[in-house]
Amino acid sequence: GAGVSQSPSNKVTEKGKDVELRCDPISGHTALYWYRQSLGQGLEFLIYFQGNSAPDKSGLPSDRFSAERTGGSVSTLTIQRTQQEDSAVYLCASSRPGLAGEQETQYFGPGTRLLVL
Amino acid sequence: AQKVTQAQTEISVVEKEDVTLDCVYETRDTTYYLFWYKQPPSGELVFLIRRNSFDEQNEISGRYSWNFQKSTSSFNFTITASQVVDSAVYFCALSDYMDTGRRALTFGSGTRLQVQP
Repeated sequence: GAGVSQSPSNKVTEKGKDVELRCDPISGHTALYWYRQSLGQGLEFLIYFQGNSAPDKSGLPSDRFSAERTGGSVSTLTIQRTQQEDSAVYLCASSRPGLAGEQETQYFGPGTRLLVL
Repeated sequence: AQKVTQAQTEISVVEKEDVTLDCVYETRDTTYYLFWYKQPPSGELVFLIRRNSFDEQNEISGRYSWNFQKSTSSFNFTITASQVVDSAVYFCALSDYMDTGRRALTFGSGTRLQVQP
C-alpha cells in the first residue's frame, strides 16, 4: 500500500514569511508525528497526534510553530515568520495502534526540505 | 531524560567486510522500544527493526543482525558481508512510553556507513 506522503518535497522561502507543510499518513494509521532533522540538532520530535485527541505539542521549539490534523488524517505543520534557523528537513511519521508492538513502529515520509533565505 | 549515543560518526569498509554499528542508550523507563532506521541518500528513513525492553533475544535477518544487551544498555547492529547498497546513514532510536500512547523517538546522531567496491 501507499506510504506516508509529504508535500512539498522542497520549499524555499524568505525570512519572515509563513510556510505550510503537509503530511498524508498511511491509511488506517491514527498516530501521527512530526520531527525535524537539522545539521545542528539532529532528529528531534516536534508534535504528536492520536486520533481526535488533543495533540502533544511538547516538542515544538517556539510558538511560531503550530500543527493541525483534519479528520484524523492529513496534518499540516505551519511555521509563522520563518527564521533562518528553521531551515531543516521536516519529517512526518505515522503508526498504527492495535497489534502489540506494531503501534510502536513509526513509518516515515520522504520529508520536506525547507530553506529559509 | 532519554539519550541515545552513536559514538561512530563515520565508518568506511570495503565490500564483503563485516561491520558493527554501536548504539548505547539511557532511559529510566522499564518499558521501552529500540529501533534502527536506515537513511539512504534519497533521505527517507527506512525502518529496519524494533525491539522491546523485555525481549533480549538477538535477531538475524539475512545479512543483518542485532545484539540487544540490557546489562550494558546497548543495541548494536551488524552487517555481514557488506555491499555498496548498504551505504547510508544508520540511526538508532529509543521510544518513550507515555500513557497517552505517545511513542516519540529519541534518535542518536547517526553513523554514516560508506561501503567501497
